[in-house]
Amino acid sequence: SAVISQKPSRDICQRGTSLTIQCQVDSQVTMMFWYRQQPGQSLTLIATANQGSEATYESGFVIDKFPISRPNLTFSTLTVSNMSPEDSSIYLCSVEENTDTQYFGPGTRLTVL
Amino acid sequence: AQRVTQPEKLLSVFKGAPVELKCNYSYSGSPELFWYVQYSRQRLQLLLRHISRESIKGFTADLNKGETSFHLRKPFAQEEDSAMYYCALQGSSNTGKLIFGQGTTLQVKP
Repeated sequence: SAVISQKPSRDICQRGTSLTIQCQVDSQVTMMFWYRQQPGQSLTLIATANQGSEATYESGFVIDKFPISRPNLTFSTLTVSNMSPEDSSIYLCSVEENTDTQYFGPGTRLTVL
Repeated sequence: AQRVTQPEKLLSVFKGAPVELKCNYSYSGSPELFWYVQYSRQRLQLLLRHISRESIKGFTADLNKGETSFHLRKPFAQEEDSAMYYCALQGSSNTGKLIFGQGTTLQVKP
């Protein structure tokens, strides 16, 4: 399976600031996804990162708050903008391989003060 | 609406006892179902998927369309099975979107 890394692994940020999370894959993949896991909650899909086009956002998530880039088939970024304490979560990227199975990165643990 | 329900937040069993982690889903089409596991301080990883019909680490799961269930079972639990288990559904729309249940923490006591 693909090897997925995320940077940073964790961060503590002040409210009102923005943080960009990077996701790097060791092979070319068509579909990349960004999920959020709020404290004590399950994983929720934020958006699908499409290479060469705008991301597709799920209900309740908007591009102004969570802008996503996908410049090539091995890399994506998610920015959490104008952060508030409610944005404190683990953010995970995942990729889908040819077997239609998703594999997850290690996650980025974000704390907003 | 697409939904995955894991009714138990915590399941505690003794080593050697059988384990059943429950998962029920709501989906009108033909879903693909998965079990993911997260061990302490490790990333989320795929345990098994229903279409492969395989046994991983002694775990099996059978899709029951009549009961809309995909329970995870193991006949004899081991301490190293202690982890968080998530059931997930992927619809047939080919978007790749996974819908996760709330997760069940399995605690296997010595």
